[in-house]
Amino acid sequence: GNSVTQMEGPVTLSEEAFLTINCTYTATGYPSLFWYVQYPGEGLQLLLKATKADDKGSNKGFEATYRKETTSFHLEKGSVQVSDSAVYFCALIRDSWGKLQFGAGTQVVVTP
Amino acid sequence: GAVVSQHPSWVICKSGTSVKIECRSLDFQATTMFWYRQFPKQSLMLMATSNEGSKATYEQGVEKDKFLINHASLTLSTLTVTSAHPEDSSFYICSEVAGDGDTQYFGPGTRLTVL
Repeated sequence: GNSVTQMEGPVTLSEEAFLTINCTYTATGYPSLFWYVQYPGEGLQLLLKATKADDKGSNKGFEATYRKETTSFHLEKGSVQVSDSAVYFCALIRDSWGKLQFGAGTQVVVTP
Repeated sequence: GAVVSQHPSWVICKSGTSVKIECRSLDFQATTMFWYRQFPKQSLMLMATSNEGSKATYEQGVEKDKFLINHASLTLSTLTVTSAHPEDSSFYICSEVAGDGDTQYFGPGTRLTVL
């Protein structure tokens, strides 16, 4: 079956540091991949997506590349801000209805 | 992206009462909506798929008689937690699937506390 594995948090960084959150997946075929972000007390917001191999999704300085060879979709940002403190979820489409399979989430804490 | 609202944003109720949570699509006609619950510091757990004009389909282990879902129109889905108990306390989030059939847009969530 489908599964998504994320690195465990919390990840604590200083402002302007480089952020990487690892995400690997197992799936049948090549499903669309997503990163969602959840700020405290809120629902999820789509951060970026990639729909096929070698696609790069990007938004708000974050990037992730769909790597079918390594079945990975790692999230990166070159210089984080305090406002990036949140929980980040990697996800893939698991069926034709659009149901998502989420990773466990990674909490990121950015300190001034 | 699409805008999804939920109401209420938080609710506190007594054990044994029923609570209704509304999920509205404000700028998109959503034939499919999803309902999730999230426990503190955990990932989202899909509860059910809400289909406009038909019965919801529930994930394994989710009690359909306890969590009633109604998708009466293309812009409104409701989740009713019947005879709520403290273990039902959770963060409930709905989402809709965008026109590309791929991207989900999430509501802001409803925090339910059952005393």
